[in-house]
Amino acid sequence: QLQLQESGPGLVKPSETLSLTCTVSGGSISGSSYYWGWIRQPPGKELEWIGSVYYSGSTYYKPSSLKSRVTISVDTSKNQFSLKVTYVTAADTAVYYCASLVVTGEVEYWGQGTLVTVSS
Amino acid sequence: EIVLTQSPGTLSLSPGDRATLSCRASQTITSYYLAWYQQKPGQAPRLLIYGVSTRATGIPDRFSGTGSGTDFTLTISRLEPEDFAVYYCQQYGSSSYTFGQGTKLEIK
Repeated sequence: QLQLQESGPGLVKPSETLSLTCTVSGGSISGSSYYWGWIRQPPGKELEWIGSVYYSGSTYYKPSSLKSRVTISVDTSKNQFSLKVTYVTAADTAVYYCASLVVTGEVEYWGQGTLVTVSS
Repeated sequence: EIVLTQSPGTLSLSPGDRATLSCRASQTITSYYLAWYQQKPGQAPRLLIYGVSTRATGIPDRFSGTGSGTDFTLTISRLEPEDFAVYYCQQYGSSSYTFGQGTKLEIK
């Protein structure tokens, strides 16, 4: 079965860029069964889908003010996909999960999550 | 964007009880793209139910999902101690995903 692992800085300064990478093992990111997505959860709050990417590079983002600051990309040669969020504020502090999203809409596999804190 | 509203916010029950969790959508969810997840403190969510009523691999049959249109329900027939957690519903439509705000199932 698939395993996903997030990596990246746990502390980002306000107005800077948050960058995370998800490494997929146990299967190819180029398979057609999944979209690859990022979901975040502020401390004590609910889950929020940020966006997804297909192995072809097609991207889908949550229709919100966040969309203008987010870029998700895929690197099939490394079996990885990445998230960038620009101009972060304290409101972007959250546990960030990478995940595999089945074409029928459910999130089948999750990374363990990584806490990113925005603070000076 | 479809908004999912879960109720109740907190449900206090005892082991052996039956739990009924509700998820209401702001618009009709088409194609049965409705899923449920369980999340325990410090852990990633775990997929329980997808396609409204199909249990994910390894999920015990005390978990069941029903519903259509805008109203969906997760039922846990007989609560085990390990079932006390937060539960989220989630929908997919028009290349966008949304989650409910969660129901916390706590021990009475």
